Amino acid sequence: DGGITQSPKYLFRKEGQNVTLSCEQNLNHDAMYWYRQDPGQGLRLIYYSQIVNDFQKGDIAEGYSVSREKKESFPLTVTSAQKNPTAFYLCATQDRLNTEAFFGQGTRLTVV
Amino acid sequence: QKEVEQNSGPLSVPEGAIASLNCTYSDRGSQSFFWYRQYSGKSPELIMFIYSNGDKEDGRFTAQLNKASQYVSLLIRDSQPSDSATYLCAGAFTGGGNKLTFGTGTQLKVEL
Repeated sequence: DGGITQSPKYLFRKEGQNVTLSCEQNLNHDAMYWYRQDPGQGLRLIYYSQIVNDFQKGDIAEGYSVSREKKESFPLTVTSAQKNPTAFYLCATQDRLNTEAFFGQGTRLTVV
Repeated sequence: QKEVEQNSGPLSVPEGAIASLNCTYSDRGSQSFFWYRQYSGKSPELIMFIYSNGDKEDGRFTAQLNKASQYVSLLIRDSQPSDSATYLCAGAFTGGGNKLTFGTGTQLKVEL
């Protein structure tokens, strides 16, 4: 069953805590992206990776970190430096440049 | 300046009418454009993509691209209440490393 799996679906974070969002794909796509979406807003790019062991900052990378040790996996860590992390986080993959992106089901992160 | 801009709406159309969604972009090194539909609380799903100037039709949907005027549009014929969603325009730009850049989305409401 091919696709993109994000976990968990819902995540609660305490103040000052780091949390990691998982994104796994078995589509054999080279590029992977993390986006943040706030209520009523569009998608803002956090980080993206076009090849294993390489990744680039997006528009709102502060307070986030990523790794790309395997083609299939692109985890996102929300650090305590991110002061307003409550949002809907979407992972996407892309087979090659200039083609469509496919999205996971998202993780809804809430600070408690 | 944002690379991809959309009117946030909401755009309200009666059932059976044509809905016209527009998107402008600022990078002349554009390669390809994508329209996604996003229902509330869900992840975006691809509706159409367009690479060349002109029109591209798929069922009730028509995408239009005008590279000289730097706009891309989506027409939805015979609009249905199930079309009520947020529509996201995305582009892949040479100047941006060909990563996908999203607009903020236009909310469409199809009224009975």
